[in-house]
This record gives sequence, structure tokens and C-alpha cells, in this order.
Amino acid sequence: GESVGLHLPTLSVQEGDNSIINCAYSNSASDYFIWYKQESGKGPQFIIDIRSNMDKRQGQRVTVLLNKTVKHLSLQIAATQPGDSAVYFCAETYAGNNRKLIWGLGTSLAVNP
Amino acid sequence: DGGITQSPKYLFRKEGQNVTLSCEQNLNHDAMYWYRQDPGQGLRLIYYSQIVNDFQKGDIAEGYSVSREKKESFPLTVTSAQKNPTAFYLCASSPTGANYGYTFGSGTRLTVV
Repeated sequence: GESVGLHLPTLSVQEGDNSIINCAYSNSASDYFIWYKQESGKGPQFIIDIRSNMDKRQGQRVTVLLNKTVKHLSLQIAATQPGDSAVYFCAETYAGNNRKLIWGLGTSLAVNP
Repeated sequence: DGGITQSPKYLFRKEGQNVTLSCEQNLNHDAMYWYRQDPGQGLRLIYYSQIVNDFQKGDIAEGYSVSREKKESFPLTVTSAQKNPTAFYLCASSPTGANYGYTFGSGTRLTVV
């Protein structure tokens, strides 16, 4: 399944399916992007990052894609598991704002067993 | 193990009282941040500090105060001037300079009673 970020929508997927979470970032000067996972009642955890000189980066079961032309970032989770249920945030930063992260509103991922 | 510690995990405050949330890190990070998160919402920056004895207001600083007397510590005081303080408060730290993500604490849930 897919969703569009920045509005905290809910994406519901079946266990074992692939998930795609989308994020439309705001600043064309942004050159570093991060995905975080936040489980209920906990602080966000770093998942994966990507620099603007790349368009794809892979981790363990996760892939981040960056399309600078349309200012779009996506997080793909392969073989989604119940433990992946959480809110996912994208964040961007650029040199002109003291490297403070600019946060998207998040997407809630619900994995159905 | 290196990390960032927030305390207490839960805090109850009577109206009109100031309360101080603790944030300590042993990651040797220069920058520290305080965020507020309301239910179903994203992260909003309250204050940040990039070096000892210096800090800047974020997007929602009114009713809050901070200090940065030590590199390891960045306490946040929620004053009686904050009209709606009930929220989940997150502290984070990061190295300064190039592209780095933030490391978050586990959060403090503040409730006004």
C-alpha cells in the first residue's frame, strides 16, 4: 500500500506485504533527508538517511528513494511485520538553517496479522 | 552505553506551577533540542542549543525556558505562562556541522491536573 505524508494519514497493510510511505518535502535547498520510526509512547528512532547526491539507498528491509525534481521522498518496507506498526516521520535539513531538522507530520502504519 | 536520558517519564502539574523536565546525554553531542508532540501530531521545536551557554527559540518557545550550563544537560522548564502544557515532550541531541540525524530520549509525558 501507499500513502502521502505531511497529514498523518493511516496506511494499513497485511503482514508480509510491502509498504510504501511517501513524503513531499518543502525546501529545494534541502540536501539531507532522514526517516524516523516512532512507536507509541517512545521517542523517534533513526531508520535510514539519504543525501541529495543519491537517489536510492538500501538498508535492512528498507529502501529510501529520493526524487529531487518533484521534491519527493519515499520509504519502502519489504515484507512488513507487526513490529513495523508505528508512526513514520520524514525530516529534511539544509545548511542555511543551522542543520535543524524540518519535520513532516508523519504517517501511521498499521500492520494486520 | 551512550544515550540520552529524559526524566521523569510521567509528570503531573497543577495549574499555575512551574515544572522542570530533565534531559541528559553522554554522547558528547554539541547540539540539543526540545520538542513538543501533541496526540496525533508531529514534532514542534521549542528550543535548541548548539553550544554550551547559548540557546535559541524554536517555533513555540512562549511559556518555556531552558538553560545550557553543561554540555551534557539541557533542562526545560514549563512555566505557568504556558496555557496548554499537557503534551509529550521529547529531547534530542546531535553532533553539529555536517549531516547528522538526531538521537532522541524516550520522552516525558506532562499532564496538567
